[in-house]
Amino acid sequence: QAVVTQEPSLTVSPGGTVTLTCGSSTGAVTSGHYPHWFQQKPGQAPRTLIYHTSKKQALTPARFSGSLLGGKAALTLSGALPEDEAEYYCLLSYSGVGEVFGGGTKLTVL
Amino acid sequence: EEQLVESGGGLVQPGGSLRLSCTASGFTFSSYWMTWVRQAPGKGLEWVANITPDGRTQHYVDSVKGRFTISRDNSENSLYLQMSSLRDGDTAIYYCTNKETVWGQGTLVTVSS
Repeated sequence: QAVVTQEPSLTVSPGGTVTLTCGSSTGAVTSGHYPHWFQQKPGQAPRTLIYHTSKKQALTPARFSGSLLGGKAALTLSGALPEDEAEYYCLLSYSGVGEVFGGGTKLTVL
Repeated sequence: EEQLVESGGGLVQPGGSLRLSCTASGFTFSSYWMTWVRQAPGKGLEWVANITPDGRTQHYVDSVKGRFTISRDNSENSLYLQMSSLRDGDTAIYYCTNKETVWGQGTLVTVSS
C-alpha cells in the first residue's frame, strides 16, 4: 500500500504564509489522486478545507488554497490567524485500490 | 444544513461484531461516494473503506478486508459499516464523510475484554 508523507510539524507567524505538502511513495502526485485537505482541532471531528486538488468547501476561508507543487499536493495558508492552529491531513486516492491519509502536519501559529 | 450522524458504537469483546450506521440529511446522499474514516486514541486519521454512489463497488484498507463490509441504502439516506472479528487495534472513533462537504461527529468503538 502506498505511503503518503507530510511534514510532521510546521510553525508560521501570525499574518504569515506557510505551505504544507503531501507526497506519495508511488511517484508524483497528480490531479488523478484527487488530493483532499482536512483540518482537525483537538476534540473535534475533521472538516474539509480542499477537495480535488484546489476546490474549496463552501465554508473554507479564502486564505486557504490548494495546488500541485513540485510533484506534491500543496495547501497554502496566506495570512495565518491564531485559530488556524490545528492538525492538517491530506488524503490521496489510488485508482481501484482505495485511499491513504498522510500522517498529518501539526501547524503552530506563533 | 448538511449533516451526518453516526450511531452504533460501543464496547465489544475481541472477536465480536458491531454495525455502525450513518444517516445523512441536507444534501443529495445518492450522488456521493461515501467513506468511513477512523482515528485511534491519540493517533492520526486512517481511511477504512468507501463505496460508490450506486453501492455497487467498495474498497477497503488491507487491515479490515474480509472483516468489515461497507454498504448503503440510498432510499434511507444511510451508510453502514458491518464489523466482525473485531480486534484491539480496531478501537477508534469512526467517522463517516462524503469528503467534499461534511463529516459526522464520530462514534467510538472500543474493543476490549
